[in-house]
Amino acid sequence: LAKTTQPISMDSYEGQEVNITCSHNNIATNDYITWYQQFPSQGPRFIIQGYKTKVTNEVASLFIPADRKSSTLSLPRVSLSDTAVYYCLVGDFSGGYNKLIFGAGTRLAVHP
Amino acid sequence: DGGITQSPKYLFRKEGQNVTLSCEQNLNHDAMYWYRQDPGQGLRLIYYSQIVNDFQKGDIAEGYSVSREKKESFPLTVTSAQKNPTAFYLCAAPPGQGNYEQYFGPGTRLTVT
Repeated sequence: LAKTTQPISMDSYEGQEVNITCSHNNIATNDYITWYQQFPSQGPRFIIQGYKTKVTNEVASLFIPADRKSSTLSLPRVSLSDTAVYYCLVGDFSGGYNKLIFGAGTRLAVHP
Repeated sequence: DGGITQSPKYLFRKEGQNVTLSCEQNLNHDAMYWYRQDPGQGLRLIYYSQIVNDFQKGDIAEGYSVSREKKESFPLTVTSAQKNPTAFYLCAAPPGQGNYEQYFGPGTRLTVT
């Protein structure tokens, strides 16, 4: 799986938009980009996944430039409950082997 | 209500004892995985199984053993050979081919003293 690089930590305030960028210079043609959220002492939770351009769901947006060497997770109007660790993963899961390799992630702290 | 259950949530053992962590799923997924997470770190793959009666070592399998006798169950045994067993253990089960979402259980926090 392609190696990813993301900031170790970020701070924000309630109501602000948060953008977390992930670098994946060696992304392969068949690789998808997936983001997970993890709260302390819980399993990671799937947030969003995309291949190119922009994907949006009820909780986040994912922006992927044309060269796909990076991606940005956007969380609109964060609240205190968005304080968590966010993981960026890149890989080809189409073959049925869903091996996920998690890096250290980005620790987001949302302040009042 | 489908999902993955892990028990117990907290587990304490003395050094030198083997301990088995339970993972059960009623999602009817073929594959199941075990990850280990240390404080401030990401998840590391211990073992995975893509089908009943078959399993493969992950990146950090030493000191661990698994079995997959039933589709619903994938227990992990932490043996006395594991040098640093204290960690948070997560079981997961992906839906299958072409689906990129991984479903995780609530985790078991194992403390060995």
